Amino acid sequence: NAGVMQNPRHLVRRRGQEARLRCSPMKGHSHVYWYRQLPEEGLKFMVYLQKENIIDESGMPKERFSAEFPKEGPSILRIQQVVRGDSAAYFCASSPTRSYGNEQFFGPGTRLTVL
Amino acid sequence: DAKTTQPTSMDCAEGRAANLPCNHSTISGNEYVYWYRQIHSQGPQYIIHGLKNNETNEMASLIITEDRKSSTLILPHATLRDTAVYYCIVRVVSGGSEKLVFGKGTKLTVNP
Repeated sequence: NAGVMQNPRHLVRRRGQEARLRCSPMKGHSHVYWYRQLPEEGLKFMVYLQKENIIDESGMPKERFSAEFPKEGPSILRIQQVVRGDSAAYFCASSPTRSYGNEQFFGPGTRLTVL
Repeated sequence: DAKTTQPTSMDCAEGRAANLPCNHSTISGNEYVYWYRQIHSQGPQYIIHGLKNNETNEMASLIITEDRKSSTLILPHATLRDTAVYYCIVRVVSGGSEKLVFGKGTKLTVNP
């Protein structure tokens, strides 16, 4: 059973470009979470999605950031008009259900560098 | 904001037990305590979790105080590969949502 997959692993963008980060959850998992980690910091929650639904986006910046988890295909975190402050590691996690006691399994992350 | 506090760093000798403390004095009755670790800058790796009973698995043991205001992660025989940042996390569930709230963690260094 493959783990959580994220691609690309490294992404370089110039200021003003768009960044698209993909996350394929573990097989059978229908809950996806996105976290961002700035250098020397812990992970910060961004958004929680189920298939075709955004459950909680309280950690997402109000502008330029969006996320989706379509019925088919991976979850996408999209950052429009990137700025240098968006440079960070973005981690995706998945879990099978929202029941208490389920752990979230993390992917290897996408490291975004904005020039 | 993180609901946990941990020491910034700790050292441990290889082969000895590593005991990592965590305070979570504001934890609610239905909130689980989770431990993850992050080696270099890889994705966090799940270690163990618990609600109020002590837990043990192949990686570690988790001791939770009776009042649930603190806990200790125990790695019984630390190896060099256990060098990592260890995060004690409260899984927050509210308003139909849930999330892991990370603090800055404890950087554990296992020395030969």
